[in-house]
Amino acid sequence: DQQVKQNSPSLSVQEGRISILNCDYTNSMFDYFLWYKKYPAEGPTFLISISSIKDKNEDGRFTVFLNKSAKHLSLHIVPSQPGDSAVYFCAATPDNYGQNFVFGPGTRLSVLP
Amino acid sequence: EAGVTQFPSHSVIEKGQTVTLRCDPISGHDNLYWYRRVMGKEIKFLLHFVKESKQDESGMPNNRFLAERTGGTYSTLKVQPAELEDSGVYFCASSRTSGTEAFFGQGTRLTVV
Repeated sequence: DQQVKQNSPSLSVQEGRISILNCDYTNSMFDYFLWYKKYPAEGPTFLISISSIKDKNEDGRFTVFLNKSAKHLSLHIVPSQPGDSAVYFCAATPDNYGQNFVFGPGTRLSVLP
Repeated sequence: EAGVTQFPSHSVIEKGQTVTLRCDPISGHDNLYWYRRVMGKEIKFLLHFVKESKQDESGMPNNRFLAERTGGTYSTLKVQPAELEDSGVYFCASSRTSGTEAFFGQGTRLTVV
């Protein structure tokens, strides 16, 4: 029973275009959401986060949108670059659990030159 | 500042043997977490230390797994006896407080044959 779902196992995007990675969750107790990026043979690297009191957080080329009523968040990368090619994990945590993350299965993004 | 380091990077052991994984968190980080990713699926939480105390060990699969963090510095995760289904990548992460993002190590790939 996956509480955090990333229904697209893979995504290919042309360099310079926008990448949109989606994430859905089922647990209404989740209060804090994060995106991690993972390259092969490395650990996940924190990318961006958003608290449930916000609906948007932006950091350079990366923007995360949160729709609490739909239990949906998305990560936008624009413009996409070949170095963005990696597996992206959506993660969520109930505020009272601190960093007990629940991760989604990941989406492999390929940015084509 | 050194990141989270894990040792070994790879381990191949026979079913029934014992393996001990080590994690050195970022200096000053009181929070330490163990996660694992089995067969390329989602990353699952195992347990959370705050200093030397186990804050949450709800993700530990069974009593063959023992985690320790003596002195609140590095942590070890022992699997005894190892079973085939224990194969996967074990990640350690640390954070300064429970309200900030966690930094992950590169993982230990465990293969039980």
